[in-house]
Amino acid sequence: SQTIHQWPATLVQPVGSPLSLECTVEGTSNPNLYWYRQAAGRGLQLLFYSIGIDQISSEVPQNLSASRPQDRQFILSSKKLLLSDSGFYLCAWSLGPGKLFFGSGTQLSVL
Amino acid sequence: GESVGLHLPTLSVQEGDNSIINCAYSNSASDYFIWYKQESGKGPQFIIDIRSNMDKRQGQRVTVLLNKTVKHLSLQIAATQPGDSAVYFCAENTNTGNQFYFGTGTSLTVIP
Repeated sequence: SQTIHQWPATLVQPVGSPLSLECTVEGTSNPNLYWYRQAAGRGLQLLFYSIGIDQISSEVPQNLSASRPQDRQFILSSKKLLLSDSGFYLCAWSLGPGKLFFGSGTQLSVL
Repeated sequence: GESVGLHLPTLSVQEGDNSIINCAYSNSASDYFIWYKQESGKGPQFIIDIRSNMDKRQGQRVTVLLNKTVKHLSLQIAATQPGDSAVYFCAENTNTGNQFYFGTGTSLTVIP
């Protein structure tokens, strides 16, 4: 069966520091991969999605970037974090339309 | 992107009663509609989906209804239990699109 791993679960970073969140999927090949951000008590905002290695689409202009160096690995990065980057970050995967499966999330606090 | 929204931000029900969570969507080209349950501090969990060529689908204690005429989606939970307390999101997806768009969520509280 397919599983998705996302880490770390929580992260506290100072403003201006770099960020690297990692997500890996097991048990499937060629998944579509996604990064979402969720502000407290709010909905999910799509940040990036990828349909293949080194193929990244950005949904919103922002201080973040994404990379997919391997088929089942998706990384969210920033060179310098802003206060507004705080939030709950979710990685997700899909094999096609209709079903999207999420990781356990990373709670990022930028202080 | 197209918007998917929810009518009610909060819903409180007595344990054992049925719950109905509603969702309005605006993209008539959407092919899939999906319901998720999110507990505090966790990632959303897939509950059930329905294709646009269906108007009803049932799962374990849940039923999703789709009314394409008025672009309305609902999730019915039978015999609601305390463990059903969570935020519920609807999402939509097209058959050819890679993006999944989510509504703002409804918080369901089950009163023992």
